Amino acid sequence: ETGVTQSPTHLIKTRGQQVTLRCSSQSGHNTVSWYQQALGQGPQFIFQYYREEENGRGNFPPRFSGLQFPNYSSELNVNALELDDSALYLCASSRKGALYYEQYFGPGTRLTVT
Amino acid sequence: ELKVEQNPLFLSMQEGKNYTIYCNYSTTSDRLYWYRQDPGKSLESLFVLLSNGAVKQEGRLMASLDTKARLSTLHITAAVHDLSATYFCAVDILDDKIIFGKGTRLHILP
Repeated sequence: ETGVTQSPTHLIKTRGQQVTLRCSSQSGHNTVSWYQQALGQGPQFIFQYYREEENGRGNFPPRFSGLQFPNYSSELNVNALELDDSALYLCASSRKGALYYEQYFGPGTRLTVT
Repeated sequence: ELKVEQNPLFLSMQEGKNYTIYCNYSTTSDRLYWYRQDPGKSLESLFVLLSNGAVKQEGRLMASLDTKARLSTLHITAAVHDLSATYFCAVDILDDKIIFGKGTRLHILP
């Protein structure tokens, strides 16, 4: 089990609402990446945060936004929720600059939009 | 745009048999990952492959990487039921951003 934690575990929201998901990175890690995994699909890269700034973004609209805090924890915010946003949201922490790079995934937040 | 293709997408096999999952990707990369995911769970890292010709083994699983062919394989030897899961390969495209394949759902029959 990795040291990456996510909250909440499950969440049910209504279309049009806003949601905030949280991720605490593993000790010693300075980078957090967020992924969306729809049912039966592979995870899709949303964005990555390094030193409190966005460091790359996948093909997701601006209503998906994030933050990284000085302690390297991170938030994913989704505005104007749509039914297709229902998915498992995974965060992964890593240490940029490490000789042997690897991402460690948290347990995920299951978001259901009705 | 980088594409990561796995095949097969679904595999049902008998215990004790051997099989290979293939992962092709469409652009150069210096890192390839294999992950395991159990239903409703997060991703468990299996292997990180960093160079051409890299081969790693853990128990009944062995992964290899051919960067020239842009191909990685995950070989299962003498499968057991506990290996039933979905297996993903993923490619690091730039600055630690990872693109995943669609996954191979492996079902091992007793």
